[in-house]
Amino acid sequence: DVKVTQSSRYLVKRTGEKVFLECVQDMDHENMFWYRQDPGLGLRLIYFSYDVKMKEKGDIPEGYSVSREKKERFSLILESASTNQTSMYLCASSWKQVNEQYFGPGTRLTVT
Amino acid sequence: GIQVEQSPPDLILQEGANSTLRCNFSDSVNNLQWFHQNPWGQLINLFYIPSGTKQNGRLSATTVATERYSLLYISSSQTTDSGVYFCAVERVSGGYNKLIFGAGTRLAVHP
Repeated sequence: DVKVTQSSRYLVKRTGEKVFLECVQDMDHENMFWYRQDPGLGLRLIYFSYDVKMKEKGDIPEGYSVSREKKERFSLILESASTNQTSMYLCASSWKQVNEQYFGPGTRLTVT
Repeated sequence: GIQVEQSPPDLILQEGANSTLRCNFSDSVNNLQWFHQNPWGQLINLFYIPSGTKQNGRLSATTVATERYSLLYISSSQTTDSGVYFCAVERVSGGYNKLIFGAGTRLAVHP
């Protein structure tokens, strides 16, 4: 079975803090993705990566950065957290040739 | 861009009932996935189904790509089926394949 794990299920941070969300997959997937999910707005793609050290902007990259130093790990970074980044963050991964995406359990981030 | 519409938006069932969820999309797609989001927020893969019919236990799905729709059938529903069901279509955008999600169908199964 494909397993995608995320570092925290729940996280509470203060405005202005630097926040790291970690995602690890164990299926040797080339592709990895970060989404956020908000009521009424659905799932929106923040960033994705098709290879180590490679990153591409999704639909809402502002305020976020990412890092992929190893194939199995994809990190989402909030350089200076703001209250409008309070959300559910979902990580996903897939193979390069077959984009069947598998999701992690999600991280509910609250920025106060 | 492509539109993905799911219906119905909300569905309430008694345990044991059957249901059909629909996903319409406005343009040709490479692939289609169905997901179940459980009450804890995790998205669980149900089907990867660009065309044809697949079955997995009490669930089955059919995609008719030429007519731009997919159906998810749930038979003999159980309370654990509650949650939100999403379909997502894959399209090439900016040189990359991306998933575009529908708004979901919220299902509540009562005992």
